[in-house]
Amino acid sequence: RKEVEQDPGPFNVPEGATVAFNCTYSNSASQSFFWYRQDCRKEPKLLMSVYSSGNEDGRFTAQLNRASQYISLLIRDSKLSDSATYLCVVRVVDSSYKLIFGSGTRLLVRP
Amino acid sequence: SAVISQKPSRDICQRGTSLTIQCQVDSQVTMMFWYRQQPGQSLTLIATANQGSEATYESGFVIDKFPISRPNLTFSTLTVSNMSPEDSSIYLCSVGKAGGRGNEQFFGPGTRLTVL
Repeated sequence: RKEVEQDPGPFNVPEGATVAFNCTYSNSASQSFFWYRQDCRKEPKLLMSVYSSGNEDGRFTAQLNRASQYISLLIRDSKLSDSATYLCVVRVVDSSYKLIFGSGTRLLVRP
Repeated sequence: SAVISQKPSRDICQRGTSLTIQCQVDSQVTMMFWYRQQPGQSLTLIATANQGSEATYESGFVIDKFPISRPNLTFSTLTVSNMSPEDSSIYLCSVGKAGGRGNEQFFGPGTRLTVL
């Protein structure tokens, strides 16, 4: 079983749609959680951290359910520029920088 | 943030040869890492590059195949040795920096390697 699992997609949505991505992780000792964005042929970049209380950054909302070991990302009012692969990322030890990446969910936003 | 450059950006190599990838950071960083991203896959950590000591390798990766140097706090190299087509991948350098968003990790642009 993969340590971090994501639906690979692709999710093909029209502009303005709301789309949600889910992720599960297997290590109950995991401490920190992130969503990274990776554009085609580019390096991953941090989109947002995920906190137990849930957090929002503009059109993006991330939530964490530690009991279910489940992380989500909600994108509202999708833009064409949101088309990318979204990587769910987990850090097991908070003092470490070591990251474990999911395989990514691809999003295509169409006009 | 951190500005990271990698050389070369891409290369096409013959099997059996070796390639050394360089990673340069614009500021001193404690933690540097090397990842691999195979076609259609996500990132897998190869090793942590430790300044002044041997790199720490993840399960499935060994020093003989992926020797790493870290001579100072701004530079590291990864060598892919005795290459085979299975080594065709993107190799990414990353650094960890403490900041407003916690221990954030920044990635270099990657080196796209094709082995024939």
